[in-house]
Amino acid sequence: GIQVEQSPPDLILQEGANSTLRCNFSDSVNNLQWFHQNPWGQLINLFYIPSGTKQNGRLSATTVATERYSLLYISSSQTTDSGVYFCAFRRGSEKLVFGKGTKLTVNP
Amino acid sequence: DTEVTQTPKHLVMGMTNKKSLKCEQHMGHRAMYWYKQKAKKPPELMFVYSYEKLSINESVPSRFSPECPNSSLLNLHLHALQPEDSALYLCASSQDREKTQYFGPGTRLLVL
Repeated sequence: GIQVEQSPPDLILQEGANSTLRCNFSDSVNNLQWFHQNPWGQLINLFYIPSGTKQNGRLSATTVATERYSLLYISSSQTTDSGVYFCAFRRGSEKLVFGKGTKLTVNP
Repeated sequence: DTEVTQTPKHLVMGMTNKKSLKCEQHMGHRAMYWYKQKAKKPPELMFVYSYEKLSINESVPSRFSPECPNSSLLNLHLHALQPEDSALYLCASSQDREKTQYFGPGTRLLVL
């Protein structure tokens, strides 16, 4: 099956810093999502981004499908950005497969 | 409205108990999912319902029994669970199996 690798596994930032999280996948996919899981366990949709670039406030994401990677940018990070960021992908109606996640800690 | 609700938020049960988890969505979605998530791991798919019919069972033990009474509701019946079944159980829904999935807040289950 398709493999997905997220990096870095852990990231510690000071409030106000910028960061880039990466998701590499081993084959072509047509459905890629980024999620944020907050410390209480809620998984929140950030982006559905099979290709191209999208922005939502301080967050933006870019997927280059031909090169099999996606990036999540967080600017001016806040303590509420802490949690685990997952990328997840699917081909067609196959099951959604999650990466192992990047744990982000933003310190005040 | 992109809300999926789950009850209860927390559940403690013994290995001989029978309990049920409930999930509800009112977005008109026709696909609903159960995931299991252990600490420090990503969610793992358990079951998929599409148009109220079970379409995927990821070889889940029979002590977990899903039920989809109607297009808005999804239950997970639990019986004779083991301590290793303790986890966060997440429900999700999507317009159909190829669309974006939206997750509920989860039920934290502890089996003693």
